Amino acid sequence: GAGVSQSPRYKVAKRGQDVALRCDPISGHVSLFWYQQALGQGPEFLTYFQNEAQLDKSGLPSDRFFAERPEGSVSTLKIQRTQQEDSAVYLCASRLANEQFFGPGTRLTVL
Amino acid sequence: SQKIEQNSEALNIQEGKTATLTCNYTNYSPAYLQWYRQDPGRGPVFLLLIRENEKEKRKERLKVTFDTTLKQSLFHITASQPADSATYLCALDRGGSYIPTFGRGTSLIVHP
Repeated sequence: GAGVSQSPRYKVAKRGQDVALRCDPISGHVSLFWYQQALGQGPEFLTYFQNEAQLDKSGLPSDRFFAERPEGSVSTLKIQRTQQEDSAVYLCASRLANEQFFGPGTRLTVL
Repeated sequence: SQKIEQNSEALNIQEGKTATLTCNYTNYSPAYLQWYRQDPGRGPVFLLLIRENEKEKRKERLKVTFDTTLKQSLFHITASQPADSATYLCALDRGGSYIPTFGRGTSLIVHP
């Protein structure tokens, strides 16, 4: 596709459920980032991949958060035992040079 | 601690005027600074990048300045239009790590 796509666009989960958010980056982009954006705030870095290697996961808020990119293209962000404070928009971006290309995000609401 | 500060209050201006948005930072030594536009329900869109050794950069109606002594960047939109209404985010790289850290953004509202 022409841009970064994310699915689902909206996800409602009951507290304690596991969720999986998918990101399809721009074809050929080596670098992939995940961010969390709370309402009225800027995107907060979660984790970074170069190809299939997860080079930085310092932004993951707890061990309930896990990300993978097994074949160096599609990435999945998994949140286990969701909590209300996990409610946010989760953005994925792929990068070419110093420019990041963002997807539309997945809005997660935990009830 | 490291901080990126952008005005939390919305900037309201009249169509045709120049909008100026500010990004201040502390405890960073960025190699570059970026500006992004974000519309409601969408991901940010890259606008401009300015490097630490550049004072000013322009792109069509946009102009960015970068003062590493003041630790400040100014983002200008000349001849503003209602379609320019959006949230504008600045982002700094984390000390050459190529992982940008974002400010909270400033909302710009251009009135016809």
